[in-house]
Amino acid sequence: QITLKESGPTLVKPTQTLTLTCTFSGFSLRTSGVGVGWIRQPPGKALEWLALIYWDDDKRYSPFLKSRLSIITDTSKTQVVLTMTNMDPVDTATYYCVHIIVATNYFDYWGQGTLVTVSS
Amino acid sequence: QSALTQPASVSGSPGQSITISCTGTSSDVGTYNLVSWYQQHPGKAPKLMIYEVSKRPSGVSNRFSGSKSGNTASLTISGLQAEDEADYYCCSYAGSSTFWVFGGGTKVTVL
Repeated sequence: QITLKESGPTLVKPTQTLTLTCTFSGFSLRTSGVGVGWIRQPPGKALEWLALIYWDDDKRYSPFLKSRLSIITDTSKTQVVLTMTNMDPVDTATYYCVHIIVATNYFDYWGQGTLVTVSS
Repeated sequence: QSALTQPASVSGSPGQSITISCTGTSSDVGTYNLVSWYQQHPGKAPKLMIYEVSKRPSGVSNRFSGSKSGNTASLTISGLQAEDEADYYCCSYAGSSTFWVFGGGTKVTVL
């Protein structure tokens, strides 16, 4: 059974850097073809894809946020960490961790999401 | 403003069929048969309902179907049920520069 869970701060101040961790089970990021990514959703608004990392450490970023994003795995490849710099109130959103298989191009498993509020 | 255009709301009576459109461009929906649809109930994470335009994951009711024509993809819910009341989002692969784009979401109301 595949599960993903997001963790991190619920409140960050403007200009600070956000660091979110996705802890997953039921699959291995060492398995060929597997990827883990992040999608966010501002309150009452649409989903927005942010970043993705594949089993071979290949990374993908939203072109609109690329300069602010970084995605990495831990050395054991059991967690994926997303950092977003220079946070702004418009970045207030629920951030979801997702599972994907390369070449399928759809997000088949989602975490429960974590709400991050940006406010001074 | 979302890259893909969906109607803000669609409604129908129980038992009826409804269709949600998702209009993109030749850079995404029109080029790739990689449209997926997600259902989201209030306060919950999205759930995959359709992938690769018209395929259903295991466990998803066959009342949900997908199709595509040109730059527009569609999700049809037949035999509408109260539990189908939710927000629905389309998503398309958009190539190796943009990667994935979402629609603005459609609120489905069961009258």
